[in-house]
Amino acid sequence: EADIYQTPRYLVIGTGKKITLECSQTMGHDKMYWYQQDPGMELHLIHYSYGVNSTEKGDLSSESTVSRIRTEHFPLTLESARPSHTSQYLCASSALFQYFGPGTRLLVL
Amino acid sequence: AQKITQTQPGMFVQEKEAVTLDCTYDTSDQSYGLFWYKQPSSGEMIFLIYQGSYDEQNATEGRYSLNFQKARKSANLVISASQLGDSAMYFCAMREVDTGRRALTFGSGTRLQVQP
Repeated sequence: EADIYQTPRYLVIGTGKKITLECSQTMGHDKMYWYQQDPGMELHLIHYSYGVNSTEKGDLSSESTVSRIRTEHFPLTLESARPSHTSQYLCASSALFQYFGPGTRLLVL
Repeated sequence: AQKITQTQPGMFVQEKEAVTLDCTYDTSDQSYGLFWYKQPSSGEMIFLIYQGSYDEQNATEGRYSLNFQKARKSANLVISASQLGDSAMYFCAMREVDTGRRALTFGSGTRLQVQP
């Protein structure tokens, strides 16, 4: 059983606010990922990390930023939320298989 | 570039019957991995089954089996004896091998509804 956690699970916030979506894993995986998913659609990679202090942009352009100061922690930040950021954000980590957290559903009003 | 195609936006199946969800892929890699995930309405992605490109036998995990036809580039998921709890979105995905990031490329998904 994979141990990967995301908070909050749901977030409703006003335009212009700064938000941080938390992701942590207890499996010691070096590789971690953020995917964005609109309702009923496929997942798109927006950020990934090879390990501590290593982050890269994914395939889908995103205004969010990420950091990886500790192996177990990979937070995603939006400096100024907009309605176009409304989506579900899924964090994952991998060794052989990729394991996902429960996701954060973000609604920006 | 890798591409996953799922041509069935929605499927219905009667409880206790078997159902096949289609997945075709396109890649120039010789070595790759194929995955199926289940996503219930709560939103989490649940890993179901994995097939490596060099695996000679089709993968099976309980009621799930993967019908892997390498020459046709298809990796269909078969769910036997469907249960009401199987109602969910199902995503086929491929893992990159030739890049260090080893991220997943997903198909557009199939929504399965199991009817009593």
